[in-house]
Amino acid sequence: EIVLTQSPGTLSLSPGERATLSCRASQSVSSTYLAWYQQKPGQAPRLLIYGASTRATGIPDRFSGSGSGTDFTLTISRLEPEDFAFYYCHQYGSSPRTFGQGTRVEI
Amino acid sequence: EVQLVESGGALVQTGGSLRLSCAASGFTFSSNWMSWVRQAPGRGLEWVADIKPDGSERYYVDSVEGRFSISRDNAKNSLSLQMNSLRAEDTAVYYCARGAGYYMFWGQGTPVTVSS
Repeated sequence: EIVLTQSPGTLSLSPGERATLSCRASQSVSSTYLAWYQQKPGQAPRLLIYGASTRATGIPDRFSGSGSGTDFTLTISRLEPEDFAFYYCHQYGSSPRTFGQGTRVEI
Repeated sequence: EVQLVESGGALVQTGGSLRLSCAASGFTFSSNWMSWVRQAPGRGLEWVADIKPDGSERYYVDSVEGRFSISRDNAKNSLSLQMNSLRAEDTAVYYCARGAGYYMFWGQGTPVTVSS
């Protein structure tokens, strides 16, 4: 099983600042089968990025993903008030598909 | 518009059974892998099971293998999760999601609480 470790656990920032979230895998993730989701309390997750760097439909270009192998990054270039939420990485290249434990982005 | 609507969540005793359903609309259900993903209170996400479009292949996370069974009815655009021998650690919100890779579409979730 591929274990995904996200850091930091909590990121305290202000609107307009840049957020950099890390996801490290215990083994190489096949063919960059890595996704990122945003989740707000009481809501289902929302897909942001798949294939490590492809933005999902309707996702603003302030969100970007990068990385390969075992190290991946989600960057939010300038935080908007609606971006304060939990973020999860997810690998779907190996079974079982696994998620990171999440990073909370708070004001 | 793609819609996934889960139902069937409830409070159930340890060792009991429950059947979750997911009604799908707005896409060709019979052409898509479907999955169940759960989230324990205050915790992260965990993939539970998925099923091939024709139902011929089913996969489970180890912790539910032999206790849970995923199925689908393509004529009714419906996905199900039969959960038996429920444990406290199965307490979670259960989401239905389209696909078996990344998940573009999710339902709103249905809560399951297992308590003695």
